[in-house]
Amino acid sequence: SQTIHQWPATLVQPVGSPLSLECTVEGTSNPNLYWYRQAAGRGLQLLFYSVGIGQISSEVPQNLSASRPQDRQFILSSKKLLLSDSGFYLCAWSVQDSYEQYFGPGTRLTVT
Amino acid sequence: GESVGLHLPTLSVQEGDNSIINCAYSNSASDYFIWYKQESGKGPQFIIDIRSNMDKRQGQRVTVLLNKTVKHLSLQIAATQPGDSAVYFCAEKRNTGGFKTIFGAGTRLFVKA
Repeated sequence: SQTIHQWPATLVQPVGSPLSLECTVEGTSNPNLYWYRQAAGRGLQLLFYSVGIGQISSEVPQNLSASRPQDRQFILSSKKLLLSDSGFYLCAWSVQDSYEQYFGPGTRLTVT
Repeated sequence: GESVGLHLPTLSVQEGDNSIINCAYSNSASDYFIWYKQESGKGPQFIIDIRSNMDKRQGQRVTVLLNKTVKHLSLQIAATQPGDSAVYFCAEKRNTGGFKTIFGAGTRLFVKA
């Protein structure tokens, strides 16, 4: 069966510090991968998606970046965090040519 | 359409009653819709989907209705239980190529015992 992992589960970082969130998927090959952000009490905002290794599409201009160094690994990064980067970050995957997404447990980021 | 900046609307129902959660979409080119359930502190989970060539689909205790004329989607939960308390999102896939889905703002469902 397929599983998706995200870590860390929670993170508190000061403004201006770097960020690295990792997401890995097991049990499938060549998935589509997604990063979303969810502010408290809000909907889901698509940040990045990837259809393959090294292929990243950005949906929202911001100080975040994403990378896909391996087929089932998706990383969300920032060089300098802003207060507005606080939120619940969700990674998701889907089978190629499918629209049903499977979400990870999320990382709650608080920028202080 | 996308409403990520809005506060979530809420729906409060009595345990055992039926719940109806509504979603409006704006793009007539959308051809596939999904409902997700998100419990507190967790990622969303797939509930049920429907293609635009259908107007109704039933699952276990859930029914999705699609009205393409008014671009409206609803999720009906029969005999609502406390475990149904969560935020429910509709998502649409636009028939413009690619695989990206757009999530709605979500509705928070409270089930009163």
